[in-house]
Amino acid sequence: NAGVTQTPKFQVLKTGQSMTLQCAQDMNHEYMSWYRQDPGMGLRLIHYSVGAGITDQGEVPNGYNVSRSTTEDFPLRLLSAAPSQTSVYFCASRLRDSSYNSPLHFGNGTRLTVT
Amino acid sequence: GESVGLHLPTLSVQEGDNSIINCAYSNSASDYFIWYKQESGKGPQFIIDIRSNMDKRQGQRVTVLLNKTVKHLSLQIAATQPGDSAVYFCADPPSSTRDTGRRALTFGSGTRLQVQP
Repeated sequence: NAGVTQTPKFQVLKTGQSMTLQCAQDMNHEYMSWYRQDPGMGLRLIHYSVGAGITDQGEVPNGYNVSRSTTEDFPLRLLSAAPSQTSVYFCASRLRDSSYNSPLHFGNGTRLTVT
Repeated sequence: GESVGLHLPTLSVQEGDNSIINCAYSNSASDYFIWYKQESGKGPQFIIDIRSNMDKRQGQRVTVLLNKTVKHLSLQIAATQPGDSAVYFCADPPSSTRDTGRRALTFGSGTRLQVQP
């Protein structure tokens, strides 16, 4: 298994540009999520999905959209990039279970700079 | 939760020594904990987990201890190697699928482990 794959690894955008960060997992995980990691702020949840066709907002959803048309893919869209969105973005997935908890598996991140 | 940042506590150990990294949590209802390792330029990597019905769990060269009385976790790494250099943090996931989504994984304050050759 490749695990959680994120593309691109690096991206530079100008203010106002749009882009999509890709995330794919091959572990048949129902739950997928996007985090951003900033110095001194830790990991903050942007959006999450508990299954195909279902998405919901996390702690910091403003400026981001997501969709979940398949179990495998969970893209994150920035409609109009702002410098405040400069960050490292991590996609993570886990089994959605009712009998026990399971750990989140993270991708290696996309480092985004907005100028 | 607080986590990775520029002013992380740092633990410096000699190669071959044992390392102990500590984590405190605040939610008495937490019943499942995970330790992650994050190397520079990479995503957090799962190391080991523990449920609240256990006091100790061992993996390969790692042991996690849970003290529910004082709400404290520790990660012990035996015979620390240069490849163990990274930021380590504990996480407190949602305790049920009903709570799975909105309550984000709460990450404890990270600790930077530096292994001296």
